[in-house]
Amino acid sequence: DAGVTQSPTHLIKTRGQHVTLRCSPISGHKSVSWYQQVLGQGPQFIFQYYEKEERGRGNFPDRFSARQFPNYSSELNVNALLLGDSALYLCASRSPGQNYGYTFGSGTRLTVV
Amino acid sequence: KNEVEQSPQNLTAQEGEFITINCSYSVGISALHWLQQHPGGGIVSLFMLSSGKKKHGRLIATINIQEKHSSLHITASHPRDSAVYICAVRTNFGNEKLTFGTGTRLTIIP
Repeated sequence: DAGVTQSPTHLIKTRGQHVTLRCSPISGHKSVSWYQQVLGQGPQFIFQYYEKEERGRGNFPDRFSARQFPNYSSELNVNALLLGDSALYLCASRSPGQNYGYTFGSGTRLTVV
Repeated sequence: KNEVEQSPQNLTAQEGEFITINCSYSVGISALHWLQQHPGGGIVSLFMLSSGKKKHGRLIATINIQEKHSSLHITASHPRDSAVYICAVRTNFGNEKLTFGTGTRLTIIP
């Protein structure tokens, strides 16, 4: 069974552009969370979706949005990119039930120039 | 003050040594996670704890809910254990937001 897959793995964008990052959870996992990890820091929570509904939102501006599709895959969109958006974007999925941990994707490294 | 604090920030040890990484948190939690991150970014989930102690191979994780403290131990450390170890807590029962510590960079010297 494939793990959590994220695409693309690396991306370079120019300030002001828009970017879409994609995540496919493990089969059967209905919950997807997105995190931003700036170099040298711990990941920061951006969004969580469960069954296509937003369940949580972190302290990020409205330039950040996300959605979850019927097959539970998810997209993270960032508009009007700033240099400070350069980071590793991580997606994590989780099986329902309290006894299961998270499975993380390898991330998308976004560089804004 | 961060909600999740880890110590030490950096740890260098000789192969074979017993390693302890500490995590303290200041909020009520539903679960605490220990994660491992290698250069390049991939994160591997090691443990999820809500009470007591768990063991997997050479790794042991403990949590004391009353003291809001958790430890990750590595026995017979090996250079392949070199990585960043991150403690993260789930604080809200309504969603799955994880709040992360800043990590402990572990280097094991052969």
